[in-house]
Amino acid sequence: DTGVSQNPRHKITKRGQNVTFRCDPISEHNRLYWYRQTLGQGPEFLTYFQNEAQLEKSRLLSDRFSAERPKGSFSTLEIQRTEQGDSAMYLCASSGRGREVNTEAFFGQGTRLTVV
Amino acid sequence: LAKTTQPISMDSYEGQEVNITCSHNNIATNDYITWYQQFPSQGPRFIIQGYKTKVTNEVASLFIPADRKSSTLSLPRVSLSDTAVYYCLVPNSDKLIFGTGTRLQVFP
Repeated sequence: DTGVSQNPRHKITKRGQNVTFRCDPISEHNRLYWYRQTLGQGPEFLTYFQNEAQLEKSRLLSDRFSAERPKGSFSTLEIQRTEQGDSAMYLCASSGRGREVNTEAFFGQGTRLTVV
Repeated sequence: LAKTTQPISMDSYEGQEVNITCSHNNIATNDYITWYQQFPSQGPRFIIQGYKTKVTNEVASLFIPADRKSSTLSLPRVSLSDTAVYYCLVPNSDKLIFGTGTRLQVFP
């Protein structure tokens, strides 16, 4: 257990439905990352937060994806109008006690999304 | 895009030492090099981090030459449980970007 919690662990949804995932980072960590990973590929960067501020979104992230981190604590990732291509493992990671990027990132177990 | 290049896969036998080299030609002055390990259906796990010369912990050693344009992760006496994907990362515009990693397969 890394201390980063993701829920749910698995989600099966029908195409066109909306889904929301939650990530609870390690409490004192300022940075929070979201990644998407498909079979045989490395984790693909989606977005990251410094406290409650969303600093960057990947250009690969369509406007169907939105992430929030209210109050700089937990974060949610919502996918609207899901497509079969959204099927993947969604990983959350947290790190840092400041603005330093050279710190160990702790990953959750991920949420596996299957769109049918 | 990831700023690192590493072999796609490597094979080894139990008990051997495995060295995985990563190139990061455009590493910035303040960047550290970090290695992660990932097992199937799990999130990546931090292994080791270094800035220069050599770093050793209970799991691995990390060798970084003076020019810091590459680094080598050394796993001593691997076992079957070391079969995993290993990622080398340097910060990319203040965030962590993963490449495809090196898939290490350890055989009995």
